[in-house]
Amino acid sequence: NAGVTQTPKFRILKIGQSMTLQCTQDMNHNYMYWYRQDPGMGLKLIYYSVGAGITDKGEVPNGYNVSRSTTEDFPLRLELAAPSQTSVYFCASSYGGVDEQFFGPGTRLTVL
Amino acid sequence: AQSVTQLGSHVSVSEGALVLLRCNYSSSVPPYLFWYVQYPNQGLQLLLKYTTGATLVKGINGFEAEFKKSETSFHLTKPSAHMSDAAEYFCAVIRSGGSYIPTFGRGTSLIVHP
Repeated sequence: NAGVTQTPKFRILKIGQSMTLQCTQDMNHNYMYWYRQDPGMGLKLIYYSVGAGITDKGEVPNGYNVSRSTTEDFPLRLELAAPSQTSVYFCASSYGGVDEQFFGPGTRLTVL
Repeated sequence: AQSVTQLGSHVSVSEGALVLLRCNYSSSVPPYLFWYVQYPNQGLQLLLKYTTGATLVKGINGFEAEFKKSETSFHLTKPSAHMSDAAEYFCAVIRSGGSYIPTFGRGTSLIVHP
């Protein structure tokens, strides 16, 4: 099993550009999550999904969108990138809502 | 609502010394509690978790944590620090019976001196 994979590992965007961060898991997990991590701030939940076709907002959803058309994939879309979106983004998955989360290696995004 | 407080953004210990990383939570219902570790440039990995039952939980790499309901705490300990323990540690809580949205603490960076 590859676990949770994320692409790309690094990306630099210009203000106003858009991009999609990819996340795939091969563990047949129901729950998937997107977090952003900023220094000294821990992890903030952006969006989460409890199954294919079902998504919901987390703590900091503004400026982002998600979709979950399959169990395996949970892409995160950034529209009109802003410097405030400079962060490290982590995708995670779990079988159930109270189970261990498995994290991907992260995507380091810089918006200039 | 639930929240997590990790006391001390940095904890420094000597190799072989006791490690104590503090975590306090607030939750109106019994929580599920987790400790995760993050090594540089990696994602988080589970160290241990408390769901129900025994309040002393043993995890990987010699770490353990004790759930103390009266103190709303879930402190992480290890009897003897190793250089390889240097990492960022995160406490997390999930409120039972809710939407299962996790809340993470801000993290504690463990520094181990030779």
